[in-house]
Amino acid sequence: KQEVTQIPAALSVPEGENLVLNCSFTDSAIYNLQWFRQDPGKGLTSLLLIQSSQREQTSGRLNASLDKSSGRSTLYIAASQPGDSATYLCAVRRNSGNTPLVFGKGTRLSVIA
Amino acid sequence: GAVVSQHPSRVICKSGTSVKIECRSLDFQATTMFWYRQFPKQSLMLMATSNEGSKATYEQGVEKDKFLINHASLTLSTLTVTSAHPEDSSFYICSARDQNTEAFFGQGTRLTVV
Repeated sequence: KQEVTQIPAALSVPEGENLVLNCSFTDSAIYNLQWFRQDPGKGLTSLLLIQSSQREQTSGRLNASLDKSSGRSTLYIAASQPGDSATYLCAVRRNSGNTPLVFGKGTRLSVIA
Repeated sequence: GAVVSQHPSRVICKSGTSVKIECRSLDFQATTMFWYRQFPKQSLMLMATSNEGSKATYEQGVEKDKFLINHASLTLSTLTVTSAHPEDSSFYICSARDQNTEAFFGQGTRLTVV
């Protein structure tokens, strides 16, 4: 059974810092991996999607890497801003069929102005 | 990205009543929708997989007679919480995707049973 772990559970940084969020998964046979952002009491916003054949994806100040063989992904946020404060969730998909995403518990990020 | 609309965003109901939550894919056809439940500071836990025109597949421990799922069209799935109890209070989120796209999520529904 796939298990997804995110470290740290919570993180507080001053504005402007670069930071890294970690995600690990126990079964490396994945189809893709997605990073999401969730604001309190809200739904999920997809940030980056990495296919299993890819090593990384970038969108603005966000960069996500994937090391499938070791079961790890990182989300790098450059020059953090208070508006980045949210919970970041990592999720993996097993195959291209009707398979759901398996989520980690998330990292709760606070960026202090 | 694609848009998934979930309604209502918040609902308060009395114990014993039923509540229906709608999930719509607005600009694409969703052959598959997923229903998740999220407790405070916890991750999303899959409740069931809903396929258009067929019965939903429920995860172990999820009562299918309590959480009724209907996926009657390619753009709409509904989750009905029947005979709701306070322990059913939670945040419910739906997700939709076409077979080859990434997953998109609704805004979530905060259910409070009093």
